[in-house]
Amino acid sequence: QVHLVQSGAEVMKPGASVKVSCKTYGYTFTGYFIYWVRQAPGQGLEWVGWINPNSGGTNYAQKFQGRVTMTRDTSISTAYMELSRLRSDDTAVYYCARDYSSSFGYWGQGTLVTVSS
Amino acid sequence: EIVLTQSPGTLSLSPGERATLSCRASQSVSSNYLAWYQQKPGQAPRLLIFGASSRATGIPDRFSGSGSGTDFTLTISRLEPEDFAVYYCQQYGSSLYTFGQGTKLEIK
Repeated sequence: QVHLVQSGAEVMKPGASVKVSCKTYGYTFTGYFIYWVRQAPGQGLEWVGWINPNSGGTNYAQKFQGRVTMTRDTSISTAYMELSRLRSDDTAVYYCARDYSSSFGYWGQGTLVTVSS
Repeated sequence: EIVLTQSPGTLSLSPGERATLSCRASQSVSSNYLAWYQQKPGQAPRLLIFGASSRATGIPDRFSGSGSGTDFTLTISRLEPEDFAVYYCQQYGSSLYTFGQGTKLEIK
């Protein structure tokens, strides 16, 4: 059974960096892309980027390029998303999701990142 | 970047009625790469439809997707109380993904 479990909520200061983890279960980690999506309070869904856990290759939405880094540790079937130079408008729930025919088929529970001074 | 526009913004219907949600793209989208999601408050989104018309595992057959090119539709044939939620369309093209802004389906 496919399951994605994310790290807990974070409260960060403006200008800091946050790293969110996504531990996966129930399938071959290197066989499927992992996507990151965020949702600001009361707003819609926004794609942040993806990582290919097999090669480590990444692709980021232009809006986040230069501030986001996605990595993985295949030994523990875990993907990570680090966002730097945080601003108040980065306050959002961050989700990881596993690929399902180029859509987001399995989702983590979400990680609330709050940026506040 | 392909922009997806969903309509209506809010749809008010009663259980048992038929719901028709629209997703229009600013450029042609490959039908293989158009998906629909349902999101309830406090929950992660759930994949309903992928490839424009294929139901994801465990999705009831009252949900159906159709369309091609720039116009796509999600239809819920007979609304159940648990179907009232926000629905998003999403497309993939040139290694980039975008979402529509969502349609809120509320109880009339």
